[in-house]
Parts: sequence; structure tokens; C-alpha cells
Amino acid sequence: NAGVTQTPKFQVLKTGQSMTLQCAQDMNHEYMSWYRQDPGMGLRLIHYSVGAGITDQGEVPNGYNVSRSTTEDFPLRLLSAAPSQTSVYFCASSLPGQLNSPLHFGNGTRLTVT
Amino acid sequence: AQSVTQLGSHVSVSEGALVLLRCNYSSSVPPYLFWYVQYPNQGLQLLLKYTSAATLVKGINGFEAEFKKSETSFHLTKPSAHMSDAAEYFCAVSSTSGTYKYIFGTGTRLKVLA
Repeated sequence: NAGVTQTPKFQVLKTGQSMTLQCAQDMNHEYMSWYRQDPGMGLRLIHYSVGAGITDQGEVPNGYNVSRSTTEDFPLRLLSAAPSQTSVYFCASSLPGQLNSPLHFGNGTRLTVT
Repeated sequence: AQSVTQLGSHVSVSEGALVLLRCNYSSSVPPYLFWYVQYPNQGLQLLLKYTSAATLVKGINGFEAEFKKSETSFHLTKPSAHMSDAAEYFCAVSSTSGTYKYIFGTGTRLKVLA
């Protein structure tokens, strides 16, 4: 049972480069989300989706794009990387419409922008 | 708006001593509350969740938390710390405001001293 799978685990980018962080889940969860984790700031929500074709912005969406063409996949795109986007990124999913349903997390992608 | 405050970004305890990690929430309606644990270089794992069925919630690895409405608190405790408990712990509330589904505290890093 794979759960939530994130790739790559590590990535180094130069300022201005673009890339896509991949996230896939096999639990048929409608709700998927992206967080970034920075020291002393906890987890901050970037974007989230409540189902295929539906996405919305979170707390810190600037510089990131998402799309949700299938239930399983929720990629996060950095169009022009900046040093401020150096962070650890987590994808998480859960059952929708149930506020007592916990999030299931991937193991993260550690991104460095130089 | 709902929010979560974790008091103490770093907590140190001796092995065998009581672990107490503090979490206070603000919510205009009864919340759903969660504690997650993050081990180094891993994603977050659910420790326990409060869903109004009982005020004292037992989780994995001997942890428990008590929901106190009068104090708007959901502190995490463990009677006897083990070296393997060293990790970062996050309190989270499930949002009923409709904007963001999960709101996380800034985390508490637990250090266990031999």
C-alpha cells in the first residue's frame, strides 16, 4: 500500500528555472494539498484541491501553480524558481467532506534554489 | 478564523520523565483537533485525533491528549519519555470556515536526554 508518493526526494535548481514536483496517491482521496515547511513557521498551505478539475489557493500560493486532471495526481509547478522557494514540500491527502478525517502525508521533497 | 498555538518551539525532557506538549486553539465552533509527529527526514504521521466522542484521546506510542473546552486546549502527554520519541510534533485543527481545511501550529521539537 503506497499511500502518498512524492518525487523527487531532493532537487537543486538555479534561480529562474522551472520544475514540477509530483504527487500521487492510491487511496482514492478526493482532497489533496501541498504544504511547504520552513523552520519556525510550521506547515503553510500552498494550494489544495477537493476533486479532479477543482483547485484553490492556500495561504502562500504566489509562485506556484497546480492542476488536478485525475483523482490520483496533484503536481505542483514552480514556473520561475526563486531562492525564497527553498523549502521542504509536502503533499497530503484525505477524504473530503469529513472534517475529522486526518491528512496522509508523503515523505517530502527537499528543494534548494541557488 | 481558526488558529492553533503551540507554546514552546523546543522542549527537552529526560528519558523516563513526563512529556507535556502544549496546544491551544481558537475556534467559534467545536473543532476537530489532531496531533501529528514528524521524525527526521520523513513526512508527518497521525498520532491521535479528537472528534468529540471522548475528551481524553489515546494515540499511538503511548501518547494521549485531553480536550479541555474551558481552556481551549488540547495538550499532548506521555507518562514516560523514550529516546525514540525525539521528533517534531504538530498540533492541527480542522477548519470549518470553508477556506482552508487544516491549520497547523508551528511545531514543537522534542529532545529526550539520556
